[in-house]
Amino acid sequence: DTAVSQTPKYLVTQMGNDKSIKCEQNLGHDTMYWYKQDSKKFLKIMFSYNNKELIINETVPNRFSPKSPDKAHLNLHINSLELGDSAVYFCASSRGYNEQFFGPGTRLTVL
Amino acid sequence: GNSVTQMEGPVTLSEEAFLTINCTYTATGYPSLFWYVQYPGEGLQLLLKATKADDKGSNKGFEATYRKETTSFHLEKGSVQVSDSAVYFCALLYGNKLVFGAGTILRVKS
Repeated sequence: DTAVSQTPKYLVTQMGNDKSIKCEQNLGHDTMYWYKQDSKKFLKIMFSYNNKELIINETVPNRFSPKSPDKAHLNLHINSLELGDSAVYFCASSRGYNEQFFGPGTRLTVL
Repeated sequence: GNSVTQMEGPVTLSEEAFLTINCTYTATGYPSLFWYVQYPGEGLQLLLKATKADDKGSNKGFEATYRKETTSFHLEKGSVQVSDSAVYFCALLYGNKLVFGAGTILRVKS
């Protein structure tokens, strides 16, 4: 059984479009995260939710809006996509402030 | 602030060679330390962890010891295999923020 899953795995879209990435975890964790991995493999946290409440919001353009409908889901909506948004986006989850488990990633390509 | 510095890659080794990937950190307080591995085209997998000074994390033949005096958490493996080829990330967890190093590409040749 997949612990942390993301959809879609690949997303190719035009500049200016709006897109969403979905994440679900079946580990019973209470905290979920979004990370961005750039072309040089550098990973940086974007957001974190604990029990559906936003607790980390790094310096991310407000075109990015996370939404957590329940503890098992954390979606990422991106408005007005730009070329620089092309990256791999990883969802992760944890129980409290313990080790984080990652999803397989969504490779976003903005043309 | 908190940061992690890893040795730059790529690291290229022959099968059965000894592996060391250096990792040092800067942190306020005492973070937990992790090594994650990313195989080609896949997500990150937790490889091993250590939560306090002198702890040794180990998994799949890999080891790393939390050294507070040198603020280091070097990854080692006695005999690498081709299947170990991947990107390895050192990370520290402070509060609920996971801070990653830049990653080190490992290539193992048969």
